[in-house]
Amino acid sequence: DGGITQSPKYLFRKEGQNVTLSCEQNLNHDAMYWYRQDPGQGLRLIYYSQIVNDFQKGDIAEGYSVSREKKESFPLTVTSAQKNPTAFYLCASSISRGGSSRADTQYFGPGTRLTVL
Amino acid sequence: GQQLNQSPQSMFIQEGEDVSMNCTSSSIFNTWLWYKQDPGEGPVLLIALYKAGELTSNGRLTAQFGITRKDSFLNISASIPSDVGIYFCAGQLTNNNDMRFGAGTRLTVKP
Repeated sequence: DGGITQSPKYLFRKEGQNVTLSCEQNLNHDAMYWYRQDPGQGLRLIYYSQIVNDFQKGDIAEGYSVSREKKESFPLTVTSAQKNPTAFYLCASSISRGGSSRADTQYFGPGTRLTVL
Repeated sequence: GQQLNQSPQSMFIQEGEDVSMNCTSSSIFNTWLWYKQDPGEGPVLLIALYKAGELTSNGRLTAQFGITRKDSFLNISASIPSDVGIYFCAGQLTNNNDMRFGAGTRLTVKP
């Protein structure tokens, strides 16, 4: 079954700790994305990657870091520098980014809710 | 970054009623997407629109890509209780391929 998985579903961390959220896809998509979702707001882009070993900052990258060592995986680390890390984090992937409109269509994982205590 | 203007923010309707929601922007888009999100879950793609003026249906759902390329609407006909959730639009900007998202329309369907 092809899809995008995120783990864990719920994550609790103490203030000042770094935490890494997992995102894996077996859709053979080149592009992957991380978004943050807060109540009453549209999704905001944290980072994206168009290809392995490449990634770019999105609109709200401060306090976050990513890596893309494998095509299937795009983990997000929420660092202690992120001022307000409690949120719902969504990972997405698309065949490409900047290719055809159809290939750029994004599909989402189930999300991880991070709560910092 | 610029977000899309999505309205209404919420709707409370009776089962069987039709629903309409829309997204507008001052920017031009080459793609419009409509997603549904259940509480605590990831968004699921409902309809994708790739051409100005395009009208596409998926069961009881119909969406259109505005002719000006700055707006889109989603209609749901004969609503049922399982239509409950948050619907949001997404548009891919023509100038840089960035995706922008609406804040969502929260739909409640009363049996």
